[in-house]
Amino acid sequence: AQTVTQSQPEMSVQEAETVTLSCTYDTSESDYYLFWYKQPPSRQMILVIRQEAYKQQNATENRFSVNFQKAAKSFSLKISDSQLGDAAMYFCAQDPYNTDKLIFGTGTRLQVFP
Amino acid sequence: GAVVSQHPSWVICKSGTSVKIECRSLDFQATTMFWYRQFPKQSLMLMATSNEGSKATYEQGVEKDKFLINHASLTLSTLTVTSAHPEDSSFYICSARDQRYNEQFFGPGTRLTVL
Repeated sequence: AQTVTQSQPEMSVQEAETVTLSCTYDTSESDYYLFWYKQPPSRQMILVIRQEAYKQQNATENRFSVNFQKAAKSFSLKISDSQLGDAAMYFCAQDPYNTDKLIFGTGTRLQVFP
Repeated sequence: GAVVSQHPSWVICKSGTSVKIECRSLDFQATTMFWYRQFPKQSLMLMATSNEGSKATYEQGVEKDKFLINHASLTLSTLTVTSAHPEDSSFYICSARDQRYNEQFFGPGTRLTVL
């Protein structure tokens, strides 16, 4: 079965510091996509970063980067130089069949303290 | 990026009535749209795939007669919650892929409260 697990219900970080959010997943597919989405209080889902499984290089988007460990089925998100605006729910998701049908984890609430 | 809108953003209805939620792709065409449900402080669960000009496909466990989906045009999909009950109260979110950006965009969601 395709699953996504986020073991950290809540995380906190000081402004300007670095935080890592964990995500593990399960799939029997070899080529798939992984995503991190941000859901601020407005509830609007925003794509933070995505990774194609066949690419070994970890994806990076400005202050956001991932540590993709395919063999371990791990996909963590690192936020560097955290900002107050980063405070939100973060969802890890997979698209196991490249059909845009996303399977989401349970989310991690990130708090950023000044 | 692309814009996906939903209407209404919030609706309150009485038990037993039906409610229609619209999802529109404002600046692109979408042959496929997706409907998700999000319970309070929980994850998003895919309910169904809306296909333009054909029947929607529902995920296992989703009642197709309860959640009617119509995708009548390339920019509009509707979700009708029929004979709504309090347990249908939830946050409903739609999404669609914009090929220009090779990315899926989400609507802002609709909060449904059934009294």
